[in-house]
Amino acid sequence: EAGVAQSPRYKIIEKRQSVAFWCNPISGHATLYWYQQILGQGPKLLIQFQNNGVVDDSQLPKDRFSAERLKGVDSTLKIQPAKLEDSAVYLCASSLAGAGVGANYGYTFGSGTRLTVV
Amino acid sequence: GNSVTQMEGPVTLSEEAFLTINCTYTATGYPSLFWYVQYPGEGLQLLLKATKADDKGSNKGFEATYRKETTSFHLEKGSVQVSDSAVYFCALRTNTGNQFYFGTGTSLTVIP
Repeated sequence: EAGVAQSPRYKIIEKRQSVAFWCNPISGHATLYWYQQILGQGPKLLIQFQNNGVVDDSQLPKDRFSAERLKGVDSTLKIQPAKLEDSAVYLCASSLAGAGVGANYGYTFGSGTRLTVV
Repeated sequence: GNSVTQMEGPVTLSEEAFLTINCTYTATGYPSLFWYVQYPGEGLQLLLKATKADDKGSNKGFEATYRKETTSFHLEKGSVQVSDSAVYFCALRTNTGNQFYFGTGTSLTVIP
């Protein structure tokens, strides 16, 4: 089966500019996640969608970050305006399971978008 | 809360050496435990997992046993190869939510 697709692969922007990342999950996966991986750290969850609804966005910096999942399939993560500390890899993941279901359902990560803010 | 603490790197080993990367966790409820690997320039790949206490996950010669009494999930391999050079992440996933909690990663370099 096709994996989780993300684009672009790399992006370099200046601080205060805006940027958007796109994710296409595995077909049929109801749950979609965005993680932020800062260099030297483990990935940290930003937002979780179940179909087109938000399940958890408690760690999303809402003053500058936004995300949507229209029609419950593709998702877009936006940063506006970007700061230097937003430089990171942004990972999208998807799974069959929804919140509260056990961990035996498939959970797949995309290759990520590497953002550099200068 | 939920968190994972793993051995800091970087770790450098000679080919065929024994590998241990320590991982301990704190969690509410009964988490599942995972090791993910990230090769240079690539995304996260699931290496192995264990879903309940005393389970042993294994893959590609790597093993880890879910130890509830010590809240640990140490990664081991008896004989590492150059191709095992990567960053290894320990992670947990709770049964009440569905997000992962990752450790900070351990970089492994295997030299011929």
